[in-house]
Order: sequence, then structure tokens, then C-alpha cells
Amino acid sequence: DQQVKQNSPSLSVQEGRISILNCDYTNSMFDYFLWYKKYPAEGPTFLISISSIKDKNEDGRFTVFLNKSAKHLSLHIVPSQPGDSAVYFCAASEAGYQKVTFGIGTKLQVIP
Amino acid sequence: GAVVSQHPSRVICKSGTSVKIECRSLDFQATTMFWYRQFPKKSLMLMATSNEGSKATYEQGVEKDKFLINHASLTLSTLTVTSAHPEDSSFYICSAWDRGYGYTFGSGTRLTVV
Repeated sequence: DQQVKQNSPSLSVQEGRISILNCDYTNSMFDYFLWYKKYPAEGPTFLISISSIKDKNEDGRFTVFLNKSAKHLSLHIVPSQPGDSAVYFCAASEAGYQKVTFGIGTKLQVIP
Repeated sequence: GAVVSQHPSRVICKSGTSVKIECRSLDFQATTMFWYRQFPKKSLMLMATSNEGSKATYEQGVEKDKFLINHASLTLSTLTVTSAHPEDSSFYICSAWDRGYGYTFGSGTRLTVV
């Protein structure tokens, strides 16, 4: 049972344009959401997070939007750069729990 | 920022042997460390949660006698894959949790069992 779903396995975007990565979750107890970026043969690196009390969090070119009623979040990267090409994992955790549940990942390719 | 060092980055071993993977938090103390496994084109699957000084908590379906976890200090957790078989070949990643830094991941270990 996949509690965190990333339905798009891959995404290609032209350099300079916006990349939008989507994530859906089924567990209503999740209240903290994270995005990680992963290059091949490396561990994931933290990108940005959002608490359920917010609907938007911005950090430079990266913005995460959370729609609690739809159990949906998205990561926007603008403008996209070739160095952003990586696999992006959406993750979620419940309040009081350190355990994080990951989605399957979306491979982003930014074309120069 | 927080750094988690994971070694080795790659290991090839013969079927039936055991392999130990180390995960160290370099500049912070991690009371809790997590071990993940990633299959090709699959999500990061949590294998176990390791708390310093106590037994690890394994996720359903993970054999604790096969994947031995030791968290002897606040900066070191080890995962030992015992009697490895080719189906154990995978990418193993650790992460450490700290209240100030949140989750920090190691660089991962590519295990190949031949």
C-alpha cells in the first residue's frame, strides 16, 4: 500500500521553464512533508519541507505547495536548470514520529 | 550543516558471506538512525529504525536475523547483511535524525552479491 504516491515516473522540461513535480498521499495523519533530491549512486539530499499548518513554503527557486483537503503537494522549480536533473522524492511523516515514508520518485530531466 | 558518512560506498561479496555497512554522524549526535533499501525504480523502503543503546525496530517483512543493526554510540550505527545472497544486492542508505538538522542521509552503499 503506497501511502505516498508520485504518479509521474519522469518529467522533461526545457531549461528556464518551470518544473512541477506532484505528489499525493493517502494517510491523513501525515502532517510534515519533505522533498529530497537524489543523484545516481548518492544518498538523497534534503531540498525543502512544509508543515501541514502551511500551504506554501518557498526557498529560492523551489516552492512547495500543500493542499491538505486534496492530500496533494507539489514542488515547483523555477527557473529550471540543467543541474536540477535528478530524481526527486516526496516524503511524509506523522506528528511525533520520526519515520519518513517516501514516494517512488520522479526523474526530472532539464534540457539545455 | 550536518554530515552523515556511510562506508563503504560499493562492496562486492560472495554469496554466503557477511557484509558490514557503517553510518556515522560526523558533527552531531544522532539518537535515531534509519536504514533504507532501494530497489531499481522503487521507492526508498525503510528497513529499520535504530535507537542508540537499544534494539532496532524492524519494519514488517524485514528479517532481523539477516539484517543486523547495531547502534552502539550516538554517532555510529552499523548494518550487517549476514549470509548474503544475490537477492540482497541493492542500494542501502542510512539516515540520521537530529532535532536541529532534521534528517540527513548518507551517500549510500551499493551492495552486489555474486
